[in-house]
Amino acid sequence: EVQLVESGGGLVQPGGSLRLSCAASGFTFSDHYMDWVRQAPGKGLEWVCRSRTKASSYTTDCAASVKGRFTISRDDSRDSLYLEMNSLKTEDTAVYYCARGIWPVGANDYWGQGTLVTVSS
Amino acid sequence: DIVMTQSPDSLAVSLGERATINCKSSQSVLSSSNNKNYLAWYQQKPGQPPKLLIYWASTRESGVPDRFSGSGSGTDFTLTITSLQAEDVAVYYCQHYYTTPLAFGGGTKVEIK
Repeated sequence: EVQLVESGGGLVQPGGSLRLSCAASGFTFSDHYMDWVRQAPGKGLEWVCRSRTKASSYTTDCAASVKGRFTISRDDSRDSLYLEMNSLKTEDTAVYYCARGIWPVGANDYWGQGTLVTVSS
Repeated sequence: DIVMTQSPDSLAVSLGERATINCKSSQSVLSSSNNKNYLAWYQQKPGQPPKLLIYWASTRESGVPDRFSGSGSGTDFTLTITSLQAEDVAVYYCQHYYTTPLAFGGGTKVEIK
C-alpha cells in the first residue's frame, strides 16, 4: 500500500525556518517525481516544488513565490522527500502536502495527509 | 507560465442530475510528441487531501466511478459528473502538468440543490 507521511510542521515566527519531511512507503520511491503542494486555510491548491529522479539528474523546480527561500531535496536511500523553508512569511501559512507523480511524468496519484505550517508572531 | 481558469466557482445540482465543470488553460497543454493532454482533475472533501479522478484529460483513475468523465483538448476541458450522488459533494480542481510551474485552477464547489 502506497503511503506518504508528512512531518515537521508547526508554528514559526516570520523570518524563521522549518524543515518538512515526507516518508514514503509501498512503492519504489526512486522511480517517481515528487511534489510539494500547499493549501492556505480556506483557499485553493498551490504547487510549491518538484523533485525529479536520478534519470532526470535529480533536477528541481520551485514556484516563483518560494524560489530562493525554499529548497526541495530527496534521499532515495531513505525513501524520503524534504522541504527546507527559510525566510518564512505569514503568507506561507498553509497545509503542505507531499504528492507522488505518476511514472514517468504525470499527475499526482497519491497524496499525504498534510502537515500544517503556521507563520505568525 | 500557464494559468488555469475554472468555471463556475460553485454549482448546485439535484441528486441524480448532471454537473459540468469547465477548465481553461492560458496555453495549450497538448503535447505534439505524444498527442496527450497534460491535464488532471482532482476531488477534495473537507479535511482530506485531494484525490486524483482523471489524468491525460480523459483517463479515469483506478477505482473512480464511471459517472466521472473528462473531455477536451488543447486549452478547453470539462469534468462531467452524470447522476450526482451525495458523496460527490466536494471541491473539484483541474491541474496542468505540462511543464513547471504546475498550476491548479481555482476550484469549483459542488453542492446538492
